Amino acid sequence: QQQVKQSPQSLIVQKGGIPIINCAYENTAFDYFPWYQQFPGKGPALLIAIRPDVSEKKEGRFTISFNKSAKQFSLHIMDSQPGDSATYFCAARFRDSNYQLIWGAGTKLIIKP
Amino acid sequence: GAGVSQSPSNKVTEKGKDVELRCDPISGHTALYWYRQSLGQGLEFLIYFQGNSAPDKSGLPSDRFSAERTGGSVSTLTIQRTQQEDSAVYLCASSPTFYEQYFGPGTRLTVT
Repeated sequence: QQQVKQSPQSLIVQKGGIPIINCAYENTAFDYFPWYQQFPGKGPALLIAIRPDVSEKKEGRFTISFNKSAKQFSLHIMDSQPGDSATYFCAARFRDSNYQLIWGAGTKLIIKP
Repeated sequence: GAGVSQSPSNKVTEKGKDVELRCDPISGHTALYWYRQSLGQGLEFLIYFQGNSAPDKSGLPSDRFSAERTGGSVSTLTIQRTQQEDSAVYLCASSPTFYEQYFGPGTRLTVT
């Protein structure tokens, strides 16, 4: 019940396309949903985050869509660029356990030139 | 300002040896996390420190793993009697709140 299921495991998109990465959860005690971006050899870095009282949030070319009733949230990257190639992790903050982040398994995204 | 730093960046050790991994969090951050990331895999939570509270050790995989945080700042993760399955990247993160976590670059541990 504390899991966050992320899909797909890997994704290849042409430059300019819109990759979509999906995450699903079961536990309603999650109250904050961030996405992290990780480049090879680096630690993850916060990309964008959303709370469950909002259905969509945009920051630049990155958008989170949140469907509270379906317990799903997704990351969309508009006008994707080769520099967006990275591994993306979704996460959910579990407010009933020291506010721990529960992490998805990650999606390796490749943007082809 | 300075981010989270970790040392060493790479560590190769022989099976059975003990290793210590160090994390210097961002100054003022009260929360500190250790994660393990195997090649191409997600993040495995190991341990969490918050201020002066007792650490949450629920993610430590065995009693060979331990961690301490001195003076609410620097943290050391110790792995005793290393095994080949301990080979991974060990990531440290700090946070000023219960929201964003700031990650260091990690320590790549290879056990031969």
